[in-house]
Amino acid sequence: QKEVEQNSGPLSVPEGAIASLNCTYSDRGSQSFFWYRQYSGKSPELIMSIYSNGDKEDGRFTAQLNKASQYVSLLIRDSQPSDSATYLCAVNGDAGNMLTFGGGTRLMVKP
Amino acid sequence: SAVISQKPSRDICQRGTSLTIQCQVDSQVTMMFWYRQQPGQSLTLIATANQGSEATYESGFVIDKFPISRPNLTFSTLTVSNMSPEDSSIYLCSVEGSAYEQYFGPGTRLTVT
Repeated sequence: QKEVEQNSGPLSVPEGAIASLNCTYSDRGSQSFFWYRQYSGKSPELIMSIYSNGDKEDGRFTAQLNKASQYVSLLIRDSQPSDSATYLCAVNGDAGNMLTFGGGTRLMVKP
Repeated sequence: SAVISQKPSRDICQRGTSLTIQCQVDSQVTMMFWYRQQPGQSLTLIATANQGSEATYESGFVIDKFPISRPNLTFSTLTVSNMSPEDSSIYLCSVEGSAYEQYFGPGTRLTVT
């Protein structure tokens, strides 16, 4: 069974700090990796996608992928209170279009 | 990304009844997905809906309980049948964009009493 694991948190960081969110996955054949942000009472919003080993930066967000270690992470620089949300890691396998979601990490950014 | 709407946004239903949730997209998409998010939990895929074919259900979900229609490339419905309190969840549709990205509708919050 394909699994995606995340620390449920909450992860608490002060405003302006770097928040580091981590995700591991079990399916070595996984090809595509996504980070979603979900505010309370809202639906998930795609914020980053990454497909190859290394770093991918988009504004204050950096996704990091290490397929050998089956590990993907999301760094949020200069964290703001508005970044407080649950962050979901999602992984697409090597067959089909389905995404498997992790349990999510709740991030709290304190002013 | 596509603009996705869902109806209803929320509903309170009595046990034993059925509710049909609609998902409308502003552009044609091949793949549509239905998820369930139970309180405090992550997303669980119910089924994949392709136009012109039967929906593909994930383990633990059956067509009799969650019938799905996909009449065209911009619309799909999910019915939650013979509801029980355990069906109280948020139901989300999503569509596939490029490179396996998925975009979600606003969700339907269902409470079964």
